[in-house]
Amino acid sequence: EVQLLESGGGLVQPGGSLRLSCAASGFTFSRYAMSWVRQAPGRGLEWVSGISSSGVSTYYADSVKGQFTISRDNSKNTLYLQMNGLRAEDTAVYYCAKDWFTGSHSGLFDYWGQGTRVTVSS
Amino acid sequence: DIVMTQSPDSLPVSLGERATIYCKSSQSLLYSSNDKNYLAWYQQKPGQPPKLLIYWASTRESGVPDRFSGSGSGTDFTLTISSLQAEDVAVYYCQHFDRTPQTFGQGTKVEI
Repeated sequence: EVQLLESGGGLVQPGGSLRLSCAASGFTFSRYAMSWVRQAPGRGLEWVSGISSSGVSTYYADSVKGQFTISRDNSKNTLYLQMNGLRAEDTAVYYCAKDWFTGSHSGLFDYWGQGTRVTVSS
Repeated sequence: DIVMTQSPDSLPVSLGERATIYCKSSQSLLYSSNDKNYLAWYQQKPGQPPKLLIYWASTRESGVPDRFSGSGSGTDFTLTISSLQAEDVAVYYCQHFDRTPQTFGQGTKVEI
């Protein structure tokens, strides 16, 4: 059974940093691209960042480019999102999502974690 | 970026009745090289993450009931629930996945 378990969310002051993690199990993690998708309170879904199966290629939404860094450790079956310079508009539930296809990032997601909540407020 | 626009925003439907949700993309999602539309539909129930229902515009994901169907091509797409069940109450999102950034529609809330 595929499982994606996010952690690392919480309350942070504007300008602060957080590192989210997503522990994956139930599939061969190193074969699949992964992404982070966020959902602000009462709002829709926004793709944030993606990474290829090898970790060589990374992709970002314009809204977080230069601010967030996605990475992965295939030896630990874990996906990360380093978030710096956080702003109120980054407040959201952050979901880890598995790509449907193997290899490169496609943006079609067949499994999602339960999400971790990030609140940016003073 | 490709803009995805859904209609309506809210859709009240009686149990057993048909629900139809529309999605329009600002650019064609049809690739002539493989004749596939890079369009997916997701269902999100309250307090839960999204669930993939349909991809390639009309291919049902494994385990999805056959009352859910997708159609359309190019820029205009439709998700149909043929006979609404109580467990189908949710917000439904369309999404394109043909290029980065993959964008979602604003969502359609289906309620009884």
